[in-house]
Amino acid sequence: GQQVMQIPQYQHVQEGEDFTTYCNSSTTLSNIQWYKQRPGGHPVFLIQLVKSGEVKKQKRLTFQFGEAKKNSSLHITATQTTDVGTYFCAGPRDYGGATNKLIFGTGTLLAVQP
Amino acid sequence: KAGVTQTPRYLIKTRGQQVTLSCSPISGHRSVSWYQQTPGQGLQFLFEYFSETQRNKGNFPGRFSGRQFSNSRSEMNVSTLELGDSALYLCASSPRGGNTGELFFGEGSRLTVL
Repeated sequence: GQQVMQIPQYQHVQEGEDFTTYCNSSTTLSNIQWYKQRPGGHPVFLIQLVKSGEVKKQKRLTFQFGEAKKNSSLHITATQTTDVGTYFCAGPRDYGGATNKLIFGTGTLLAVQP
Repeated sequence: KAGVTQTPRYLIKTRGQQVTLSCSPISGHRSVSWYQQTPGQGLQFLFEYFSETQRNKGNFPGRFSGRQFSNSRSEMNVSTLELGDSALYLCASSPRGGNTGELFFGEGSRLTVL
């Protein structure tokens, strides 16, 4: 079945270092969303990418959607302790389907040491 | 604007019992989705409701059921609880059905089955 994998599972960085998480889907996605979940919290939407090769920036965060629309990445420049949490990518289960039935990636837990 | 409200936040049940979880979406949001989050399986889609109709269902046994009321509030029920049902159950709302973007998650109901 459709799977979305993320690497790495866990990353520990020193504050100020950069961080990247990669998301790979077994099938083509019509769009991809990224969520952040703080420890003990709930997922919070970060961004949605729709177009092939799309790149979007939010301050220190850069999101990219692959040309084949099967992979995506999130890059954080100069991490801060507030970046701590698990980052999930998610895409609709059915390509082009009108559904909020998302398949979530396995997540990357980011730890930032001050 | 109030966020997604889930009740109860925490509950403990024993095997064989049943449980009902409630979700009040953001005012004006008509789509409600439910997800189960466990350390082993991650975030998995349970169901999606829109205008009181179940639009999609995940790969969960029939013990898991849900419904949506005319005011968009939703409930999910798990009967004959098993140890493996211990999880964080997350409700998410969006303005309308279809993968139109951001899902707004509630803080979740953490269920422990003993």
